[in-house]
Amino acid sequence: DVVMTQSPLSLPVTLGQPASISCRSSQSLVNSDGDTYLNWFHQRPGQSPRRLIYQVSKRDSGVPDRFSGSGSGTDFTLKISRVEAEDVGVYYCMQNTHWPPSTFGQGTKLEIK
Amino acid sequence: EVQLVESGGGLVKPGGSLRLSCAASGFTFSNAWMSWVRQTPGQGLEWVGRIKSTSDGGTIDYTAPVKGRFTISRDDSKNTLFLQMNSLQTEDTGVYYCTWLWSGGPHHWGQGALVTVSS
Repeated sequence: DVVMTQSPLSLPVTLGQPASISCRSSQSLVNSDGDTYLNWFHQRPGQSPRRLIYQVSKRDSGVPDRFSGSGSGTDFTLKISRVEAEDVGVYYCMQNTHWPPSTFGQGTKLEIK
Repeated sequence: EVQLVESGGGLVKPGGSLRLSCAASGFTFSNAWMSWVRQTPGQGLEWVGRIKSTSDGGTIDYTAPVKGRFTISRDDSKNTLFLQMNSLQTEDTGVYYCTWLWSGGPHHWGQGALVTVSS
């Protein structure tokens, strides 16, 4: 199974400042067609996860443009250009290239300083 | 509006069974690939299994810890996804989410169903 490793696991950020979360996979997430199925999710306390980014860098409908995804191969990054109060919660990366099974990162908890 | 509504969660003793349902609306369920994801206490997210659409063969896959104990099925006439869980263990305790797979991952998630396995 592909292992997804996120860092940091805890991320204190000042409102209005940028934030960055790294996600590394144990093997390349590029499939034989050249596609990369790397997703990012945000889970607020007491809520279900919500997908923010799919296929590395595509934003889901309704996701603010302060969220961006980048990366290739085994290294991926989620960036928030200016953190807002509603961005607190846990962020997860997930790969869907080498499935089954799909695998998630451990999660990164973002909090406001 | 897409809606996924899980039901059927509850308290069950180790070795017992439970059946979760997920009522889907707002999209063409019969064409959709669906999955179950769980979140165990204090832990992150774990993919449980996936079922392809009937037109894509209806193939079902499971994560290793539940293989042979859990069964995913669907009733396209009722827009409903199921998760039959047998031989439940304490490690299966958690919130179970039904998800609609689209563009390479879980696009929509239900509100979750709490399953507690305890004596």
